Amino acid sequence: EVQLVESGGGLVQPGGSLRLSCAASGFMFDDYGMHWVRQIPGKGLEWVSGINWSSGSAIYADSVKGRFAISRDNAKNSLYLQMNSLRAEDTALYYCAKGGCSFTSCYGKAAFDFWGQGTAVIVSS
Amino acid sequence: QSVLTQPPSASGTPGQRVTISCSGRTSNIGTNTVNWYQQLPGTAPKLLFYSHNQRPSGVPDRFSGSQSGTSASLAISGLQSDDEADYYCAVWDDSLTAWVFGGGTKLTVI
Repeated sequence: EVQLVESGGGLVQPGGSLRLSCAASGFMFDDYGMHWVRQIPGKGLEWVSGINWSSGSAIYADSVKGRFAISRDNAKNSLYLQMNSLRAEDTALYYCAKGGCSFTSCYGKAAFDFWGQGTAVIVSS
Repeated sequence: QSVLTQPPSASGTPGQRVTISCSGRTSNIGTNTVNWYQQLPGTAPKLLFYSHNQRPSGVPDRFSGSQSGTSASLAISGLQSDDEADYYCAVWDDSLTAWVFGGGTKLTVI
């Protein structure tokens, strides 16, 4: 059974930093790309960032480019999101999601086929 | 404002068939395959349908997807009260080099 468990969320002041983690199990972690998707409470979904199986390619939404960094440790079956220069508009529930293929996108494959339960990030003074 | 356009709400009665639309551009729906997600209240999104005709195991065949040109749609037949949820479309955008979501459609079973 695929399981994705996020951690590391919390309350942080504007301009601060936070590092999210996602522990994966139940599948060959190093065979798949991984992603972060966020959701402002009561609002829609926004893709944040993705990384391919080997960490050779990482992509970001324009809204976080230059401030967030995605990484993974295949030996630990873990995905990370380093968030710097946080803003109030980054307040959201952050989901870790498994990609449907080895890369950040593959034609004909599912975008995000399994999701964690999310970790909440609140940016406020 | 979302790159993909969905109606904010939809409704139907038990047993009815409802469809939810998702409108995009050549660079996304016109080129790549659409994914559909169901988000029940207080839970994480769940993959419902992808790549023209792919349904993950465990998803009832009451759910089906289609796409043509720059539009896609999700159809739910034999509507049940358990289907009350938010539904999202998502697709890769070649121009933005990013994944994009629709704004979501809240389905109410009357």
